[in-house]
Amino acid sequence: DTAVSQTPKYLVTQMGNDKSIKCEQNLGHDTMYWYKQDSKKFLKIMFSYNNKELIINETVPNRFSPKSPDKAHLNLHINSLELGDSAVYFCASSQLAGGEQYFGPGTRLTVT
Amino acid sequence: GQQLNQSPQSMFIQEGEDVSMNCTSSSIFNTWLWYKQDPGEGPVLLIALYKAGELTSNGRLTAQFGITRKDSFLNISASIPSDVGIYFCAGYSSASKIIFGSGTRLSIRP
Repeated sequence: DTAVSQTPKYLVTQMGNDKSIKCEQNLGHDTMYWYKQDSKKFLKIMFSYNNKELIINETVPNRFSPKSPDKAHLNLHINSLELGDSAVYFCASSQLAGGEQYFGPGTRLTVT
Repeated sequence: GQQLNQSPQSMFIQEGEDVSMNCTSSSIFNTWLWYKQDPGEGPVLLIALYKAGELTSNGRLTAQFGITRKDSFLNISASIPSDVGIYFCAGYSSASKIIFGSGTRLSIRP
């Protein structure tokens, strides 16, 4: 059973398009996160939701909008994609804010 | 802003050698987490540390939460080929603020 899953695994799209990445966790955790990992493997937190409420919103362009329909899901919608958005995006979850985080397998986004 | 300095950036070792890496910061952290990432996969949690001075093992891995709360180290004993990967430290300065180190890339000399 996959604990944290993301779809799609790979996403190739053109500049200017709008795309979404979905994340689901079956761990019963209260907190979910989105991270961006660049080509140098640096992991940067983008957003965090606790019980469907936004608790962290780092300096991210407002083209990125997270949505949490329920505790088990956190989706990431990206408008007007740019070349610099190309990266691997990871979803993670933790029992509580400030706890051990468990990561999904990542979504590799390539913008051409 | 807050930064975590992770070192070394990369290391080549012989199979069977012990490995040591660390993370330091000018800020205090409440929790330290150590992860390993294999190519094409998400980071996997290895060890979590919650108290200053805490020393925790997970098989051949041992990690410590520094007394000053500004550093942590990870040791791997008797390395094997499957230890190859990128190791990340991460620290929480508060329940909502986590920061990751830049990673240590571990490779094994043939």
